Amino acid sequence: EAGVAQSPRYKIIEKRQSVAFWCNPISGHATLYWYQQILGQGPKLLIQFQNNGVVDDSQLPKDRFSAERLKGVDSTLKIQPAKLEDSAVYLCASSLSAGSLLYEQYFGPGTRLTVT
Amino acid sequence: AQKVTQAQTEISVVEKEDVTLDCVYETRDTTYYLFWYKQPPSGELVFLIRRNSFDEQNEISGRYSWNFQKSTSSFNFTITASQVVDSAVYFCALKPDAGNNRKLIWGLGTSLAVNP
Repeated sequence: EAGVAQSPRYKIIEKRQSVAFWCNPISGHATLYWYQQILGQGPKLLIQFQNNGVVDDSQLPKDRFSAERLKGVDSTLKIQPAKLEDSAVYLCASSLSAGSLLYEQYFGPGTRLTVT
Repeated sequence: AQKVTQAQTEISVVEKEDVTLDCVYETRDTTYYLFWYKQPPSGELVFLIRRNSFDEQNEISGRYSWNFQKSTSSFNFTITASQVVDSAVYFCALKPDAGNNRKLIWGLGTSLAVNP
């Protein structure tokens, strides 16, 4: 079974530029998550999708971050404009369903973003 | 308050030693799930175990074992005969109120270094 795919793996941009990350979840997983992980910290949930609807985006800085999952499969996370403090690893995860007993999330390799 | 505490920031052991990673959680929910994830240097978070609040039976999987004690709100993780490949950051996480869309609450992680 293929895992969660993410691209790119690494990205370096200057502040005020824009950047986009892509995620393809495990086939059949209805729930998709985007996390931000700053060095030395645990993952912070940015947004959670159930199919193509947003379940939780309470910690997404909506003035600069946006995400979509138009067809309920793959997803894109965008930052525009980027700030220095956005330097982090952006992790995508998927699970069968947030409400199901099989709640464990499976993570992709992440995208390491450096904003200079 | 919902919280996960991993008091050990860093642990260093010599190969073949046993090591226990502590996890203490706080929740007022009677139904909840606890998880352990491993994050090796490659960065990908790997699911290790899920335990629900009604199942206090300890679990063993190869060299890994988990001790869940509701009386002390702890869910500790022991690696027996550690190996260099066990070097990683280990995260404990809590999902309160299983069955709905509540997000995972993560500890800050314990960085384990297993030296040859």
